[in-house]
Amino acid sequence: GESVGLHLPTLSVQEGDNSIINCAYSNSASDYFIWYKQESGKGPQFIIDIRSNMDKRQGQRVTVLLNKTVKHLSLQIAATQPGDSAVYFCAENFSGGYNKLIFGAGTRLAVHP
Amino acid sequence: DADVTQTPRNRITKTGKRIMLECSQTKGHDRMYWYRQDPGLGLRLIYYSFDVKDINKGEISDGYSVSRQAQAKFSLSLESAIPNQTALYFCATSDLGRGQETQYFGPGTRLLVL
Repeated sequence: GESVGLHLPTLSVQEGDNSIINCAYSNSASDYFIWYKQESGKGPQFIIDIRSNMDKRQGQRVTVLLNKTVKHLSLQIAATQPGDSAVYFCAENFSGGYNKLIFGAGTRLAVHP
Repeated sequence: DADVTQTPRNRITKTGKRIMLECSQTKGHDRMYWYRQDPGLGLRLIYYSFDVKDINKGEISDGYSVSRQAQAKFSLSLESAIPNQTALYFCATSDLGRGQETQYFGPGTRLLVL
């Protein structure tokens, strides 16, 4: 179950701290973005999304920021908990194409007590 | 997500064997996808289907085939398995009901080709 996380960049944080996971996307025409969380032995789970007409969107303990100028996406997790330990993927979609998501390679978040 | 199920969850097979991975969904979505995931890599699209009569190749379709038996079922076949097809395989579904492409994933099938 840990094989997904091998060779990925890893972010290590202390429990209770805030986490920021970054993603550079590839297509300047992409207009929709999603963050997924993948726990060991499970499929990716939807966390939060954002459209390109927004710069920021907040969910429960999570915030996504979009900087279209530099094609950068970030996921902020407040008060990180052990249950947040997982691999996080960003995905981009260009609705003018054939609606296919393009996934990043992922970042592993390790939360330490 | 229990709305998207995959069988089997684990499979070991030998080089040259034909195998089928199955995916079922109860979300009522029209669109279904097959991805593979390898260590250190993101998800790569194998095939996708926008409805029962629509099948499209993804970026890595060679060595694979699919069948969309019904709106709720989308199966992936490896006609003659080879060791570099050892990977995690995920099925996903989506619709454009909200005007955006949010995909929902099954739990995955871990395949080992010896």
